[in-house]
Amino acid sequence: GNSVTQMEGPVTLSEEAFLTINCTYTATGYPSLFWYVQYPGEGLQLLLKATKADDKGSNKGFEATYRKETTSFHLEKGSVQVSDSAVYFCALSDNNAGNMLTFGGGTRLMVKP
Amino acid sequence: EAQVTQNPRYLITVTGKKLTVTCSQNMNHEYMSWYRQDPGLGLRQIYYSMNVEVTDKGDVPEGYKVSRKEKRNFPLILESPSPNQTSLYFCASTPTGVYTGELFFGEGSRLTVL
Repeated sequence: GNSVTQMEGPVTLSEEAFLTINCTYTATGYPSLFWYVQYPGEGLQLLLKATKADDKGSNKGFEATYRKETTSFHLEKGSVQVSDSAVYFCALSDNNAGNMLTFGGGTRLMVKP
Repeated sequence: EAQVTQNPRYLITVTGKKLTVTCSQNMNHEYMSWYRQDPGLGLRQIYYSMNVEVTDKGDVPEGYKVSRKEKRNFPLILESPSPNQTSLYFCASTPTGVYTGELFFGEGSRLTVL
């Protein structure tokens, strides 16, 4: 079956530091890959996505590249802000209409001023 | 405003006392789903519905029931709650006509079963 593995948190960084959150996946076929973000007290919201190999998703300064050879989709940001503090979830979809998304365990990011 | 609304947001209850968590969306989405979020486990799907009167089990359906009598509503029912159902619950929806992978989530319902 499908699975998503993320680095465990929390990840604590100082403002303006470089961020990487690792994500690897196991899936049959050619899934689409996603990063969702959950700010404190809120539901998840889509941050970025990539639908095929070598695609790069980007949004709000965050980027992730779909690497089929390493089955990875690592999230990066060059300079984090305190407002980026949240829980980040990597997810995949193999277009199975029933269970649309398989989520990783989530990684909490804390950014200190 | 397009949104998914869950109620209650917070609930403390006791073992065996039936409860319902409501979910309503105003975006005319066909697909709706319930997830539970537990530390280190991410989100796990409980039940989903492809459209009115069509529901199916997700990965962790035991102890839960759902119904989909109207397109906008998808309540989650715990007939006899137990402490292992203490969790943060999310309802989500999406249209099925053009699949984008984007689920629209409610703000969550934190349930504690004593």
